[in-house]
Amino acid sequence: DIQMTQSPSSLSASIGDRVTITCRASQDIRTCLNWYQQRPGKVPELLVIAASVLLGGVPTRFSATGSGTHFTLTIDNLQPEDLASYYCQQCLTTPLTFGGGTKVGI
Amino acid sequence: QVQLQESGPGLVKPSQTLSLICTVSGDSINSVNYYWSWIRQSAGKGLEWIGRIYSSGSGSTNYNPSFRSRVTMSVDTSKNQFSLRLSSVTAADTAIYYCASLNRHDAFDLWGQGTMVTVSS
Repeated sequence: DIQMTQSPSSLSASIGDRVTITCRASQDIRTCLNWYQQRPGKVPELLVIAASVLLGGVPTRFSATGSGTHFTLTIDNLQPEDLASYYCQQCLTTPLTFGGGTKVGI
Repeated sequence: QVQLQESGPGLVKPSQTLSLICTVSGDSINSVNYYWSWIRQSAGKGLEWIGRIYSSGSGSTNYNPSFRSRVTMSVDTSKNQFSLRLSSVTAADTAIYYCASLNRHDAFDLWGQGTMVTVSS
């Protein structure tokens, strides 16, 4: 199985801050990497596909990059509604696997 | 707009079989080339993919080997539903279970609201 490791597991930031979340794969997954946002008590929502493509409706303060084994999700100008957990997921091979999540606190 | 809704018992006894149904509304379950999936979320293991089933044709499946031979998925096109059966459950199977659609990027683009299943005697 491809192991996905996220760091940090949690962070606390202020409104307006820039936040960067890292996701590392245990082997090369090219750009087969998706990101999800899960607000407290809510269902995960797809944010990014193919490592860097934001879904329609995702605020432009979100950006994502990476390939191979190292990926990042960045939130510029952090807003209160960004309070959530963020998960990466590799899509190269089954079993599809998720990172352990990063909880962003405001 | 396609929506998914899980249903099933919230409490299952150890060693028994967990059975859940996901009802698809807003479109025919096999009108597009979707894979339908089950994912669970527990405090101890985060998000865990259980498996997927193809909506059209043969209804081919891929299961997470972590579940070995305990898992079975099926599609009922007449009811616009797909289902999950997980046998020989233990307390470790206590989790929120989500059904979801898997798009061509193998990304989960649509999720049900989730259903909490507790394994306890």
